[in-house]
Amino acid sequence: ETGVTQTPRHLVMGMTNKKSLKCEQHLGHNAMYWYKQSAKKPLELMFVYNFKEQTENNSVPSRFSPECPNSSHLFLHLHTLQPEDSALYLCASSHLYRPGQTNTEAFFGQGTRLTVV
Amino acid sequence: RKEVEQDPGPFNVPEGATVAFNCTYSNSASQSFFWYRQDCRKEPKLLMSVYSSGNEDGRFTAQLNRASQYISLLIRDSKLSDSATYLCVVTSNDRAGANNLFFGTGTRLTVIP
Repeated sequence: ETGVTQTPRHLVMGMTNKKSLKCEQHLGHNAMYWYKQSAKKPLELMFVYNFKEQTENNSVPSRFSPECPNSSHLFLHLHTLQPEDSALYLCASSHLYRPGQTNTEAFFGQGTRLTVV
Repeated sequence: RKEVEQDPGPFNVPEGATVAFNCTYSNSASQSFFWYRQDCRKEPKLLMSVYSSGNEDGRFTAQLNRASQYISLLIRDSKLSDSATYLCVVTSNDRAGANNLFFGTGTRLTVIP
């Protein structure tokens, strides 16, 4: 149990579907992240939220739409995806870095394995 | 230029061997450094934080060289269960003070009986 929960664990969707991925953390963290991990590729940072405010959007296509209603919940809304979007989507959370603070490591959810057909 | 660079390997070593991984980072203002481990089809999990003074946890030793901007991980007496991908992670703050976590490509280790 990592304290970061993602649902669903597996998702198969058609290119015209709309679906949402959910992430919830119970660690009291104030930063949350979405990452994409494709087969044999490194983790790609997609979005960063600090205190519910989006601070990073790494040139992610608009068919991916994040939402962070509060510091504990993060969503990734998906619509009109392409087959190349099939990947493992990982949510993570951490404390924000502050000078002198040491416990800033990220904790990951188990991921949602997405297949677009 | 990538924020974090790692040799992807693979490293295939016999049980009992000592193996070392290195990682370089580009942002000299980076503040926090970690090694994560990722098993096949699982999420990354923290292995250890990396401090300027170096730190050791059993068979694992991590070191940070800020002047050269590299991080290392040493695994002694390798076990079969050490087989995994090892990810170097660097945290930087942007102008707004927001956290960004950057991952290396990961180094694949296979320990052979």
